[in-house]
Amino acid sequence: AQKVTQAQTEISVVEKEDVTLDCVYETRDTTYYLFWYKQPPSGELVFLIRRNSFDEQNEISGRYSWNFQKSTSSFNFTITASQVVDSAVYFCALSTGANSKLTFGKGITLSVRP
Amino acid sequence: GAVVSQHPSRVICKSGTSVKIECRSLDFQATTMFWYRQFPKQSLMLMATSNEGSKATYEQGVEKDKFLINHASLTLSTLTVTSAHPEDSSFYICSAERTGGINEQFFGPGTRLTVL
Repeated sequence: AQKVTQAQTEISVVEKEDVTLDCVYETRDTTYYLFWYKQPPSGELVFLIRRNSFDEQNEISGRYSWNFQKSTSSFNFTITASQVVDSAVYFCALSTGANSKLTFGKGITLSVRP
Repeated sequence: GAVVSQHPSRVICKSGTSVKIECRSLDFQATTMFWYRQFPKQSLMLMATSNEGSKATYEQGVEKDKFLINHASLTLSTLTVTSAHPEDSSFYICSAERTGGINEQFFGPGTRLTVL
């Protein structure tokens, strides 16, 4: 069975602060994919990143960065210099190599105050 | 590319009626589509996996006779909520996997269903 844990439920920061969203996953498969999605109030899921289990390189995309650590089964997401537009619910998700079914974490509500 | 649409985006219906939601991949073919349900302030829960030309595979606890899924073409899957009740009110989201793609789903914008 696979599981995604996002222990943080709500985070509130002031604009320009850095914030890290935690994600811990469980799977017995050696081949798997990890994802982060953003869900703004409109409801539409916005794809942020996909990472496969064989690529542990950290990634940076503008103000976003991701830290993948297989040793701790974590795939954390950091927003640098947060902005009000970053306010949304962020989901971490996992799919295994066997099929494409996504298992989502419970999501983290991020509020960025001006 | 890789755009998925859903129609309608919002629907209000009376209890006991049936509602059909369409999910279309606009610029790619999708052998597999997925249907999720999301209650307010909760996560997305997979309801079923829809495969073109075959029966859908439902997750445990999802009533297949209540949530009818049809995937008649490589670009269209439909979800029909039959005899809807207020507890079926939710946000329904579909996703499509590109034929030949691996573990990459493209999500539709969602359909908000309210049953009175």
